[in-house]
Amino acid sequence: ETGVTQTPRHLVMGMTNKKSLKCEQHLGHNAMYWYKQSAKKPLELMFVYSLEERVENNSVPSRFSPECPNSSHLFLHLHTLQPEDSALYLCASSQGFSGGVQETQYFGPGTRLLVL
Amino acid sequence: AQSVTQPDIHITVSEGASLELRCNYSYGATPYLFWYVQSPGQGLQLLLKYFSGDTLVQGIKGFEAEFKRSQSSFNLRKPSVHWSDAAEYFCAVAGDTSYGKLTFGQGTILTVHP
Repeated sequence: ETGVTQTPRHLVMGMTNKKSLKCEQHLGHNAMYWYKQSAKKPLELMFVYSLEERVENNSVPSRFSPECPNSSHLFLHLHTLQPEDSALYLCASSQGFSGGVQETQYFGPGTRLLVL
Repeated sequence: AQSVTQPDIHITVSEGASLELRCNYSYGATPYLFWYVQSPGQGLQLLLKYFSGDTLVQGIKGFEAEFKRSQSSFNLRKPSVHWSDAAEYFCAVAGDTSYGKLTFGQGTILTVHP
């Protein structure tokens, strides 16, 4: 596999369920990101990890819990979600952001989440 | 704070016609600028990026963009559109490099008529 992969591609869950989204990057990058893409809204950055350490939590509700066990894997654990959390969740990775240089982010195909 | 505006929500062009998608950004210093494309049901694919140097940037699939500091713009262009270019296009800016934050515009949906 190459690039950034995400599983599952589609997920339907009830508001009382617990589920996890998985992202894996095969690019040797050091930084990983979670974005939320809702209808008619710009992509929203949720979390940023650098070398497995969370460096940004963009005011995301606690019902979303990220985990980065190593630089290649990123998870988003979901519990007691609301219908308004239905969206496309995109994972991205980049080389990193040391030295004040903005590295290009590469995106996965996303997980389409529907909360009933 | 950084922000991006894409004034056109939806653009329709005929196949073979030229295309220009507008992007205006707000950031105090020289920004890093990106254009991404998203086909239905897919993630975002990088078309091109501007970091510094030549203000006319060439990308994949025949796209180019021009950085104009005086107008705070980074418009995307293509001289002849193909039906396969139908997709949603996102402009993004990164200024704060402390953690690689990208701020995206609302996106422009491109429809191509045969």
